[in-house]
Amino acid sequence: AQSVTQPDIHITVSEGASLELRCNYSYGATPYLFWYVQSPGQGLQLLLKYFSGDTLVQGIKGFEAEFKRSQSSFNLRKPSVHWSDAAEYFCAVGAPFTGKLIFGQGTTLQVKP
Amino acid sequence: GAVVSQHPSWVICKSGTSVKIECRSLDFQATTMFWYRQFPKQSLMLMATSNEGSKATYEQGVEKDKFLINHASLTLSTLTVTSAHPEDSSFYICSARGGLAGGPSLNEQFFGPGTRLTVL
Repeated sequence: AQSVTQPDIHITVSEGASLELRCNYSYGATPYLFWYVQSPGQGLQLLLKYFSGDTLVQGIKGFEAEFKRSQSSFNLRKPSVHWSDAAEYFCAVGAPFTGKLIFGQGTTLQVKP
Repeated sequence: GAVVSQHPSWVICKSGTSVKIECRSLDFQATTMFWYRQFPKQSLMLMATSNEGSKATYEQGVEKDKFLINHASLTLSTLTVTSAHPEDSSFYICSARGGLAGGPSLNEQFFGPGTRLTVL
């Protein structure tokens, strides 16, 4: 069965510290992979996506993610977190034909001053 | 580009009434629109997939007679919650997928800002 797991429900980091949010997926083939961010009461904003090619992808707001096929992972990283990064982060797997997205449970990021 | 709007952004209604939520792709034609439901502190759950001019495809466990979806054009889909009850209170989010010539990729969804429904 297709699934996405974000092992960390809640993460707290200090402003300026580095960040890594984990995402593991289960999918029959190479999926399309996405990271979204959601602020309270808002819709989702795409941070970055992976379809094929270079396994290290750069996104907006200084985020990057690395696709590791052997580990079925697509972890999100940022070298220096800003207070404005506090939000909910969702990893998602996309089915290439139908376009359906399967979301992970989400990780809440809290940033300490 | 690739902006999706939803209207209204929030709505409060009485139990037993029906509520319509609109989802519009403002600057592109969407081949497919998706409707999600999100409970507080939870992830998004896909409710249905909607293609213009076709009947929506509902996910398992979603009542198609309660959540009516109409996809009248390549830029508009509506979700009507019929005979709403307090348990239908939730955050409803739509997304739209491109794929037509001159528009965004078929492989990416663009999300609306969501509609907060509260049923009293």
